Amino acid sequence: IQLTQSPSSLSASVGDRVTITCRASQDISTSLAWYQQKPGKAPKLLIYAASTLQSGVPSRFSGSGSGTDFTLTISSLQPEDFATYYCQQLNNFPLTFGGGTKVEIK
Amino acid sequence: EVQLLESGGGLVQPGGSLSLSCAVPGFSLNNYAMTWVRQAPGKGLEWVSTIGTADNTYYADSVRGRFTISRDKSKSTLYLHLNSLRADDTAVYYCVKGRGGRNPDSRIFDSWGQGTLATVSS
Repeated sequence: IQLTQSPSSLSASVGDRVTITCRASQDISTSLAWYQQKPGKAPKLLIYAASTLQSGVPSRFSGSGSGTDFTLTISSLQPEDFATYYCQQLNNFPLTFGGGTKVEIK
Repeated sequence: EVQLLESGGGLVQPGGSLSLSCAVPGFSLNNYAMTWVRQAPGKGLEWVSTIGTADNTYYADSVRGRFTISRDKSKSTLYLHLNSLRADDTAVYYCVKGRGGRNPDSRIFDSWGQGTLATVSS
């Protein structure tokens, strides 16, 4: 299953609402997770089952979607949110990740 | 706090072998699926292999037949043995814990190690 993220990068300002999309090549129901990775660090789980917030993750992060189209939204971008975001499908092996979306400071 | 402590990375020539280890002192490997994910320099994340609680194993096509995942529950250690290495295997290899032992939790990666770099070059 291929995952296509868009955009591949974006520039935004603190306080902006940011939306990242992930499209699956076939129906994966809600079998999708989102991760955040900062430079030189391991990824961190943000959301699973398409919309369930991982414990400890700020509520400004939200996920939605089912089937083939999914969205990660950051309601008000904070300085610590500048990072690269990846979606991952967990419906079938081989597990796959999207290509990533780099969120940069405008 | 969950700790995953990888070791074993290094420089190896093409065609060579390497063994990666991941010590998990804070929880029992009996209860969680474990996975290796890699990231080539400047690139995205790539799933490599998963071992389930019943020791069922899964591999990416790019590594099947060359890599072997295993674990020693008595030592609380996960392993990845890498054989017939190629330049495109160069990456940081992350040891990753699943949220649980059963699907779908086993495929959701809630804790990651710091990563260990394997470099394949002559």
